[in-house]
Amino acid sequence: AQSVTQLGSHVSVSEGALVLLRCNYSSSVPPYLFWYVQYPNQGLQLLLKYTTGATLVKGINGFEAEFKKSETSFHLTKPSAHMSDAAEYFCAVSAPTGANSKLTFGKGITLSVRP
Amino acid sequence: EPEVTQTPSHQVTQMGQEVILRCVPISNHLYFYWYRQILGQKVEFLVSFYNNEISEKSEIFDDQFSVERPDGSNFTLKIRSTKLEDSAMYFCASRAYGGLGEQYFGPGTRLTVT
Repeated sequence: AQSVTQLGSHVSVSEGALVLLRCNYSSSVPPYLFWYVQYPNQGLQLLLKYTTGATLVKGINGFEAEFKKSETSFHLTKPSAHMSDAAEYFCAVSAPTGANSKLTFGKGITLSVRP
Repeated sequence: EPEVTQTPSHQVTQMGQEVILRCVPISNHLYFYWYRQILGQKVEFLVSFYNNEISEKSEIFDDQFSVERPDGSNFTLKIRSTKLEDSAMYFCASRAYGGLGEQYFGPGTRLTVT
């Protein structure tokens, strides 16, 4: 069984400030980890993913995340927030690719960016 | 860039009515999924579909739900007799065979049951 914990429901940062969105996971098998972003009235867009190999992964729009097995974490960061980053962010976990590779999502975090 | 499309964007129906939500996955993808998101809650897995059969389904996906790939392009979710608690955003997703797990999501259909 797999699960994702995203603590807090809302993060507010100033434009230009560091963005840190936390994600912890639980998985009985080596996980594949994902961050998705949802802009208002839109679907889920893949930001980045970790499967195997390098634990620091870079995604679109300047975001990156680091897989830390010892901490069971996959926190999302961006050095400098932009107004356009305001959205809802979901962390998700799946088993390694196979027919049953469903995604299990966290409850999401809303990111607000103050001018 | 290829994308997953869903129709309609918003569906309003009365309790007890049947609804069919439609999805057109990315053309060369072979795995298909339905998820739902009740307002204010997390995105939940409903069902996965591969090789013309259900691969896995959640406990939410009871006998009132069914999926079908009626032709080479569409993937549908049918709810036979809608309940108030079926009101949610329904997302379709698809994944390529051999892809590294990433699923591509459609924009969703907001289902409102009155």
